[in-house]
Amino acid sequence: EAQVTQNPRYLITVTGKKLTVTCSQNMNHEYMSWYRQDPGLGLRQIYYSMNVEVTDKGDVPEGYKVSRKEKRNFPLILESPSPNQTSLYFCASSLRQNTEAFFGQGTRLTVV
Amino acid sequence: QQPVQSPQAVILREGEDAVINCSSSKALYSVHWYRQKHGEAPVFLMILLKGGEQKGHDKISASFNEKKQQSSLYLTASQLSYSGTYFCGTSVLGSGNTGKLIFGQGTTLQVKP
Repeated sequence: EAQVTQNPRYLITVTGKKLTVTCSQNMNHEYMSWYRQDPGLGLRQIYYSMNVEVTDKGDVPEGYKVSRKEKRNFPLILESPSPNQTSLYFCASSLRQNTEAFFGQGTRLTVV
Repeated sequence: QQPVQSPQAVILREGEDAVINCSSSKALYSVHWYRQKHGEAPVFLMILLKGGEQKGHDKISASFNEKKQQSSLYLTASQLSYSGTYFCGTSVLGSGNTGKLIFGQGTTLQVKP
């Protein structure tokens, strides 16, 4: 089944403790992206990747890192999480930019 | 830079029509439309590229007016399944091939029996 898989689905952590949210797709898509969703603000793009080893900042990249060492994986790294990073995070992939995006089921992160 | 969606919320009866607008302050390369039901991930509806195109499937269609830097999503003869939050995402002309996408704040649509 074609899908985008995020892990974990839920995470509660403490300020400053490094964490990684994984994202994997099995559709051989070139383009992958991370978003955060907060009430009243819609979806805001954090980082995106056009292909392996090609990543770029979205609208709200501060406090986040990404890597794209393999086509299927696009992990989101929070080196020192802070409470303002408490949010719902979505990973998405598409064949290339400006084509249909498939979203993962989301990761609800709480930083205390 | 975030596109502005209007209205913010709308309530319909089954069978009624609705229009959701998405306006940008910048020239656009593409407009993407997604629907998200409560507690679920966004689901793709359609993408419109510059050239002033119009697209549709079933009873949901959209238009893209480059000159006005806006897109409209049309839902006709609404069904209960249309309920959810609709988001437009825009890529700005000049960055359209880079993949940077900015979404509006969303329009909540509720269809009642």
